Amino acid sequence: QQQVKQSPQSLIVQKGGISIINCAYENTAFDYFPWYQQFPGKGPALLIAIRPDVSEKKEGRFTISFNKSAKQFSLHIMDSQPGDSATHFCAVPNTGTASKLTFGTGTRLQVTL
Amino acid sequence: ETGVTQSPTHLIKTRGQQVTLRCSSQSGHNTVSWYQQALGQGPQFIFQYYREEENGRGNFPPRFSGLQFPNYSSELNVNALELDDSALYLCASSDGQGLNTEAFFGQGTRLTVV
Repeated sequence: QQQVKQSPQSLIVQKGGISIINCAYENTAFDYFPWYQQFPGKGPALLIAIRPDVSEKKEGRFTISFNKSAKQFSLHIMDSQPGDSATHFCAVPNTGTASKLTFGTGTRLQVTL
Repeated sequence: ETGVTQSPTHLIKTRGQQVTLRCSSQSGHNTVSWYQQALGQGPQFIFQYYREEENGRGNFPPRFSGLQFPNYSSELNVNALELDDSALYLCASSDGQGLNTEAFFGQGTRLTVV
């Protein structure tokens, strides 16, 4: 089973700053790269996902950038807010469906006032 | 909040015992996936059920088994519990197979094996 390497392990950002989390994968069944956000005591929730044929997707303050040749993708959170403080996971589909995922190890984001 | 519900929310078992965890999928979803999340780690795929049949399995031993019912709810059974089975068990439901099948997670069941 492939590994999905995520960095950094933890991140402290001031309110209003930019949070950047990176993910590198070995193989993927197809080009679908989601980011999940998990708050303590809760299950992961889809934050944003990028699908084939695009190298960047932006939704509000959240942007995914995708570099297919490098097998890397990243999450950028602009104007970071205290409510963004959570553990963020990247994931890669391990077969031909978007519901079977290999997750990264997670990044604990803390946004300070 | 998603429409995926899991029970119980917390559970304490003794090593060697058996446990059954339950998941009700979101309305209209016919696919249920189970994940194990150890403390400080990302979720790991255990297996998936699609229309009552197992549809893929991760690197977990046979003492992890499952079931999906006609209403698409699901159970995860773990036999001969080991201390390392202590984790958050997550259920995710989705609508069918393919590229446009986002997984919606429940809040999980926290299993502690002592």
